[in-house]
Amino acid sequence: AQSVAQPEDQVNVAEGNPLTVKCTYSVSGNPYLFWYVQYPNRGLQFLLKYITGDNLVKGSYGFEAEFNKSQTSFHLKKPSALVSDSALYFCAVTLAGDMRFGAGTRLTVKP
Amino acid sequence: KAGVTQTPRYLIKTRGQQVTLSCSPISGHRSVSWYQQTPGQGLQFLFEYFSETQRNKGNFPGRFSGRQFSNSRSEMNVSTLELGDSALYLCASSLSGSEGTGELFFGEGSRLTVL
Repeated sequence: AQSVAQPEDQVNVAEGNPLTVKCTYSVSGNPYLFWYVQYPNRGLQFLLKYITGDNLVKGSYGFEAEFNKSQTSFHLKKPSALVSDSALYFCAVTLAGDMRFGAGTRLTVKP
Repeated sequence: KAGVTQTPRYLIKTRGQQVTLSCSPISGHRSVSWYQQTPGQGLQFLFEYFSETQRNKGNFPGRFSGRQFSNSRSEMNVSTLELGDSALYLCASSLSGSEGTGELFFGEGSRLTVL
């Protein structure tokens, strides 16, 4: 069965510093990978996805993610964090019609 | 273009009652998926409808059911409510859903509290 893991419940960074939110997956085959963000009392918003091609994917709000097949990872990154990036981030994997979400990582960016 | 609309946004029910939640997808989207979000279990997939047919189903009891209408609007129903059903219920729409590579567009959710 496929699964996705976000090993960190919480990530804290200072504004202006680079941020990384980690995601690893376990599937047999070639998955499609996604990152979503959720602000308080809101639904999830799509950030970026990896389907095929270039391992570095660029998305909304300056975020990017690197697909690493050998390490089965899809970490979310941003070169310079903003306070407004503080939110709950979800990694998701879909294969053969089954989308699974990670448990989420709460990112806090402090001024 | 209007986003995904979920109604009601908030509701309170008591144990044993039933509830119906509604979701209007983005115009042109034929796939609607439902998720349950709780602090302890995270985001759990309930089911997906595509062109009025249930295409995928998660691991939830039969008390949870849904349907999709010809205009792609979807409803989900929970019967015989239990305290553990308290959650944020999220609806997501997409063009082709689970068979495609496109992203999901989520509504703001319906927060259900069961007393």
